[in-house]
Amino acid sequence: ETGVTQTPRHLVMGMTNKKSLKCEQHLGHNAMYWYKQSAKKPLELMFVYNFKEQTENNSVPSRFSPECPNSSHLFLHLHTLQPEDSALYLCASSRDDRLNSPLHFGNGTRLTVT
Amino acid sequence: DPQVKQNSPSLSVQEGRISILNCDYTNSMFDYFLWYKKYPAEGPTFLISISSIKDKNEDGRFTVFLNKSAKHLSLHIVPSQPGDSAVYFCAASRNQFYFGTGTSLTVIP
Repeated sequence: ETGVTQTPRHLVMGMTNKKSLKCEQHLGHNAMYWYKQSAKKPLELMFVYNFKEQTENNSVPSRFSPECPNSSHLFLHLHTLQPEDSALYLCASSRDDRLNSPLHFGNGTRLTVT
Repeated sequence: DPQVKQNSPSLSVQEGRISILNCDYTNSMFDYFLWYKKYPAEGPTFLISISSIKDKNEDGRFTVFLNKSAKHLSLHIVPSQPGDSAVYFCAASRNQFYFGTGTSLTVIP
């Protein structure tokens, strides 16, 4: 399989649940990202990992917890979320985090918090 | 205030004609610009990019123009095809990528 794969595609969770989003890239890239896309808003950067090390945390609440065990895998652990966290969560990868090569996105996880 | 703006939420064009999608930015320090295309239920797909040292980059039917003095970026698609119907996002980078809100292009057969 090629590209960036995200699972699950859809997730509905209650505010007290704990769930995880998974992302895997098969592009040989070294940087991975989590973005949030809310309706009518631009993509918002959440986290950046470069060579497994977190290099950016864009003031994201602690109820979102990323994990990057290696350059190919990225997780977003979710707990005690709020209804306003409902959004499309996109994973992306790039050659590195120097921002002069394009991001390659997965198809996203549509999250609904009830 | 958003640093990258796409002021036209939608655009309709006849098949075979030119589609012009526009993007404005506020930060003169941006040095890399990109266009992405997004179909429903899919993630954004990279289309074309341009460095701030250039003013034009062409790839097949897609050409990106950069006007640094006006802080303006545009994507030209010619000739437009029905399969080009999608949402198009522009993005710019300096210390992170900043994205516009997208323009929905409909190409009418």
